[in-house]
Amino acid sequence: IAGITQAPTSQILAAGRRMTLRCTQDMRHNAMYWYRQDLGLGLRLIHYSNTAGTTGKGEVPDGYSVSRANTDDFPLTLASAVPSQTSVYFCASSVTASDPDTQYFGPGTRLTVL
Amino acid sequence: EDQVTQSPEALRLQEGESSSLNCSYTVSGLRGLFWYRQDPGKGPEFLFTLYSAGEEKEKERLKATLTKKESFLHITAPKPEDSATYLCAVQAPFQGAQKLVFGQGTRLTINP
Repeated sequence: IAGITQAPTSQILAAGRRMTLRCTQDMRHNAMYWYRQDLGLGLRLIHYSNTAGTTGKGEVPDGYSVSRANTDDFPLTLASAVPSQTSVYFCASSVTASDPDTQYFGPGTRLTVL
Repeated sequence: EDQVTQSPEALRLQEGESSSLNCSYTVSGLRGLFWYRQDPGKGPEFLFTLYSAGEEKEKERLKATLTKKESFLHITAPKPEDSATYLCAVQAPFQGAQKLVFGQGTRLTINP
């Protein structure tokens, strides 16, 4: 089934640990995005990639890094997790980075940092 | 500053009771307005894209409309399975790319 997969589904992590959230899409979309969703703050853009080999910082990039080695994969890494990074993380993709273009979302990863 | 405000925050309806959800937006040049549905523990599911004032889109019991300042999601004769959080977002330019600016969502509950 075409779409976006994310792993893990959920994770509890000790503060200071390194964590990589995985995202894979099989729709051959050029653009990919990472959002975090927090109560009262809605969905906010962390990082994005317009095409394989390029990445950019979103609205809330501090403490996160991404890479885009190929079209399908867009991992998000927390180098040293802090409790404020407790959130639900969604990966999304769109055919292009041009506007307007619909973004399709994955099922999310629920991360708790203690 | 690009901004999206949704109202009400929560809405309870009886099955078959029609209503509308509101999405007010401020954006420097609207390129697209999106409606998503989000079920608990799931990712947002795409419903509609609207591009210009006066445009309307329909899907089953849902109809989305757009003016220059707001969008409405009309729900006609809803069923319990329409219960979800409905998110509105506008596409805005961001550092040479695009981003979605989301509202807080409206949590809709349809009672049987």
